[in-house]
Amino acid sequence: GAGVSQSPSNKVTEKGKDVELRCDPISGHTALYWYRQSLGQGLEFLIYFQGNSAPDKSGLPSDRFSAERTGGSVSTLTIQRTQQEDSAVYLCASSLVEGIGTEAFFGQGTRLTVV
Amino acid sequence: AQSVTQPDIHITVSEGASLELRCNYSYGATPYLFWYVQSPGQGLQLLLKYFSGDTLVQGIKGFEAEFKRSQSSFNLRKPSVHWSDAAEYFCAVVVMEYGNKLVFGAGTILRVKS
Repeated sequence: GAGVSQSPSNKVTEKGKDVELRCDPISGHTALYWYRQSLGQGLEFLIYFQGNSAPDKSGLPSDRFSAERTGGSVSTLTIQRTQQEDSAVYLCASSLVEGIGTEAFFGQGTRLTVV
Repeated sequence: AQSVTQPDIHITVSEGASLELRCNYSYGATPYLFWYVQSPGQGLQLLLKYFSGDTLVQGIKGFEAEFKRSQSSFNLRKPSVHWSDAAEYFCAVVVMEYGNKLVFGAGTILRVKS
C-alpha cells in the first residue's frame, strides 16, 4: 500500500475485554515496530519485528500484551483483559531495510479508550 | 542505561525567531540519529536523519541538525520559526549494537507566539 495502515482508528472497549489492533506495513518493508503514546507522554517502545529474526519484545509492559506478524507482513497487537491504564494511541511503523536505521514510516495510530 | 534525552518538555518562541531543540543520547556506540515531528492530529513525519559523513544535516521545512560526537548531541535548529512549526518534536536513535530498534526521546512541544 501507499503507507502504513492501522485499524481501527478508534476503539472504545470495556475494562477486562480483549482487543486486537492491526497494522498493515508498507509492502516490502522488513522491519515493523509498535509504540504506545499516552497523553502527554513520549513514544514508548513495545515490540520490534525484524525480518525472520525473533522479535524484540523487551518493551511489552505486561504479559497481557502480545503481538504477531504473519507472513512477514501484517501485524496484530493483542491486549488481553484491558485496563484503564492501557488507554493510549498505539502507533505502528515499518522500515525498508532490516536494522540499518533507514526511515521508519508511521501509521496514523489506533486510539484505544478503556472505560 | 542507554537512553535518549530531550531536556526541554516545552519551548515557546516568537514567530521569526531562531530555534534550537536539544537531544542527547547515552549510547557508547555511534548511533543513527533522527528527528521526527508530530503536528496536532497528524502522524509522525521524518524531518531529517544522520547516518555518517557530514555532521550537519539538512532536512525538510528548513530544519537542520548537527551531530556532535564529543557531546553525544544531535540538536535540531531552524533560523526562523513559522507559526506552522508548532508541533511536538521527537529525537530518535537506532544503535545497531543494541538490537537495532528505534528508541525515542520524550519529545519537546514547541509553541510559536505571534
